[in-house]
Amino acid sequence: SQTIHQWPATLVQPVGSPLSLECTVEGTSNPNLYWYRQAAGRGLQLLFYSVGIGQISSEVPQNLSASRPQDRQFILSSKKLLLSDSGFYLCAWTRGAGEQYFGPGTRLTVT
Amino acid sequence: AQSVAQPEDQVNVAEGNPLTVKCTYSVSGNPYLFWYVQYPNRGLQFLLKYITGDNLVKGSYGFEAEFNKSQTSFHLKKPSALVSDSALYFCAVRDPWAGNNRKLIWGLGTSLAVNP
Repeated sequence: SQTIHQWPATLVQPVGSPLSLECTVEGTSNPNLYWYRQAAGRGLQLLFYSVGIGQISSEVPQNLSASRPQDRQFILSSKKLLLSDSGFYLCAWTRGAGEQYFGPGTRLTVT
Repeated sequence: AQSVAQPEDQVNVAEGNPLTVKCTYSVSGNPYLFWYVQYPNRGLQFLLKYITGDNLVKGSYGFEAEFNKSQTSFHLKKPSALVSDSALYFCAVRDPWAGNNRKLIWGLGTSLAVNP
């Protein structure tokens, strides 16, 4: 069966510090991968998606970036965090008809 | 433009009563429709989907949803609510002609509170 991992589970970082969140998927190959941010426990904002290694599409302009160095690895990064980057970050994968499967999330607090 | 609307921010229901969480959509083609549930500080869990076929689809935890093409709706239902069903529910739609990115368009979520 497929499994998706995200780490860390929680993170507290000062403004201006760098960020690296990692997501890995097991049990599937060539998935589409997605990074979402959820603010205040409500709506999902799609940040990035990837349909293959090295292929990244950005949905919104921001100081975040994403990379996919391996088929089942998706990394979200920032060189300098802003207060507005705080939120709940979710990674997801999909194949086939399109239902997405989500990781457990990372709670990021920028102080 | 493609969109999903969940007209109720919050739904309150007594335990044992039937529940309905509403969703309407707007896409250019025949939609793929999905429901997800999120418990506090957790990732979203897939409940059910409609791709084609029978308009009534059954999913996890006793939930079901009815696809109504004329009303462009996909309401989530359960015959008898449990306190443990209290959570945040998301409806999502995919336009199958939108390409291989398989992006989903999400509603803003409906908070369901089941009262004992």
